[in-house]
Amino acid sequence: SQQGEEDPQALSIQEGENATMNCSYKTSINNLQWYRQNSGRGLVHLILIRSNEREKHSGRLRVTLDTSKKSSSLLITASRAADTASYFCATYMEYGNKLVFGAGTILRVKS
Amino acid sequence: GAVVSQHPSWVICKSGTSVKIECRSLDFQATTMFWYRQFPKQSLMLMATSNEGSKATYEQGVEKDKFLINHASLTLSTLTVTSAHPEDSSFYICSASPRRGGHEQFFGPGTRLTVL
Repeated sequence: SQQGEEDPQALSIQEGENATMNCSYKTSINNLQWYRQNSGRGLVHLILIRSNEREKHSGRLRVTLDTSKKSSSLLITASRAADTASYFCATYMEYGNKLVFGAGTILRVKS
Repeated sequence: GAVVSQHPSWVICKSGTSVKIECRSLDFQATTMFWYRQFPKQSLMLMATSNEGSKATYEQGVEKDKFLINHASLTLSTLTVTSAHPEDSSFYICSASPRRGGHEQFFGPGTRLTVL
């Protein structure tokens, strides 16, 4: 079964607003990654946060990781219509040498 | 850098035929390649992991005789869907990693397979 669960499943916001997506996982991880996927396309790597990190920023993206709660959040600030996509978290498990993807959040940014 | 291509980008085939999908790392040597399947509005599910020169490791529930994976070189892996059926219709995505273990994976653009 999938390692990660994400919420919300779908999120619709106005351009300029912030979007927050959450991800929970079950087992110990080495790192957690966030990806974006536009409809019918491949994955774009957004950001990676290691298990010993708590927060990371990249442009308008802010990712937090709480290993005690086994959860992560992705914040997109000042959203744009071009941010409309599906967003997936993926955990690189401490043992297993593979990425396990969450269910994803479909984000729609209305202009 | 770190570009991964897939060919074809889409394919339509008749039930019972076999389809081969190629995954190439264009500017790096891929020690490990991964194959994922994604059904509409769902997440990516790992099908198998292949290390160059070794047999692929399949995830539980994935039929190795149906989904043949060959990773014969450091830049090419192929997935062959044998005797395809409509339920095999899906989006197949590969990724490649320059290191064993797949800490860092670069994803291909995906191949849409439709089986009639």
